[in-house]
Amino acid sequence: GDSVTQMEGPVTLSEEAFLTINCTYTATGYPSLFWYVQYPGEGLQLLLKATKADDKGSNKGFEATYRKETTSFHLEKGSVQVSDSAVYFCARRMDSSYKLIFGSGTRLLVRP
Amino acid sequence: GAVVSQHPSRVICKSGTSVKIECRSLDFQATTMFWYRQFPKKSLMLMATSNEGSKATYEQGVEKDKFLINHASLTLSTLTVTSAHPEDSSFYICSALDTPGADTQYFGPGTRLTVL
Repeated sequence: GDSVTQMEGPVTLSEEAFLTINCTYTATGYPSLFWYVQYPGEGLQLLLKATKADDKGSNKGFEATYRKETTSFHLEKGSVQVSDSAVYFCARRMDSSYKLIFGSGTRLLVRP
Repeated sequence: GAVVSQHPSRVICKSGTSVKIECRSLDFQATTMFWYRQFPKKSLMLMATSNEGSKATYEQGVEKDKFLINHASLTLSTLTVTSAHPEDSSFYICSALDTPGADTQYFGPGTRLTVL
């Protein structure tokens, strides 16, 4: 069935390190793809999205490219900050629906 | 803009009692809201879709008599966990669409339910 798989955390990095959080999905079509971030004590916030193949979503220095060949939507950031510490969720929109399917979340801890 | 609140943020109750969780869209009208459940270190699982003025649509395996959803206005949806048991302890999260059929859901901060 439809699913989203993302790398297990926690991911621990030093400030200014390069970040990659892998995300792959299953789909029969070309669903919209999302990255949500959940800061401690807060609700999920949309970080970025891409609605079609080869689109690149970007926000706050984070980027992710919709790769249909590899059914992936990996999240990257060139230089992380302590304030980026949070849980990151990859998600896809269900085919012909506004419902979202989420990955299990990846906790990122950035140390000074 | 597009802020969603939940109340309460935490609740502890005794087994057998019912608990109501509120989800409000503060600065927009939401014809559609969603209720999720999140287990520790697990993904969010969609429980039901709540449409203003009509019955909620439940996902497979979710007991509609156990988890009562009411979406009485364009800014408020409530989830009532009836006759709660310890296995109902979880983190419940709501979200809302600010436009019908929109891609982006706006999430509330969640409610931690603990059933003793």
